[in-house]
Amino acid sequence: SAVISQKPSRDICQRGTSLTIQCQVDSQVTMMFWYRQQPGQSLTLIATANQGSEATYESGFVIDKFPISRPNLTFSTLTVSNMSPEDSSIYLCSVGQGAGELFFGEGSRLTVL
Amino acid sequence: GESVGLHLPTLSVQEGDNSIINCAYSNSASDYFIWYKQESGKGPQFIIDIRSNMDKRQGQRVTVLLNKTVKHLSLQIAATQPGDSAVYFCAEIRGGSQGNLIFGKGTKLSVKP
Repeated sequence: SAVISQKPSRDICQRGTSLTIQCQVDSQVTMMFWYRQQPGQSLTLIATANQGSEATYESGFVIDKFPISRPNLTFSTLTVSNMSPEDSSIYLCSVGQGAGELFFGEGSRLTVL
Repeated sequence: GESVGLHLPTLSVQEGDNSIINCAYSNSASDYFIWYKQESGKGPQFIIDIRSNMDKRQGQRVTVLLNKTVKHLSLQIAATQPGDSAVYFCAEIRGGSQGNLIFGKGTKLSVKP
């Protein structure tokens, strides 16, 4: 299984600011994904981070709000822009290996005041 | 709309007993299902998966059953231990696209000593 490291593990941010979350994988992976988990809720896919091309966003998520970078096969970033309290969530990076199984990082717990 | 969901939000069992966590799905075209375990403060951890051409799959102390007739998925944990206390999510893959997992709402399993 892949080892996935996320930074920061948690942060408290002010309304209107932006925060960039980093995801580092210990091996090269083709596909990386960003999920959001709102408090007490399940996980929702934000976007697929494609190496060498723009990210593919799911319905309800847009690049201006959640810009993503994928500079190489082991690293990706997700920025949460112009934050509001509704953005308080756990943001999770995941990678795919094999036929469908996903491995997840520990998550970045974001609180927006 | 189409969704993956769970029958019970919480489940409390005695240590040593067997646990059964249920999941209903509505998309008959889904062909791959995964169970994840999420401990407090951690990211989801893969437990076991099953493809739609199977009706049962066993792992270490866990068994997943798939009933395509009624679109029902269950996770059975044998001899439940305190370390099994967590939130359990079922997830399905739609459209054959890796990473685009649709997660159910989750069941919180509490194990009483």
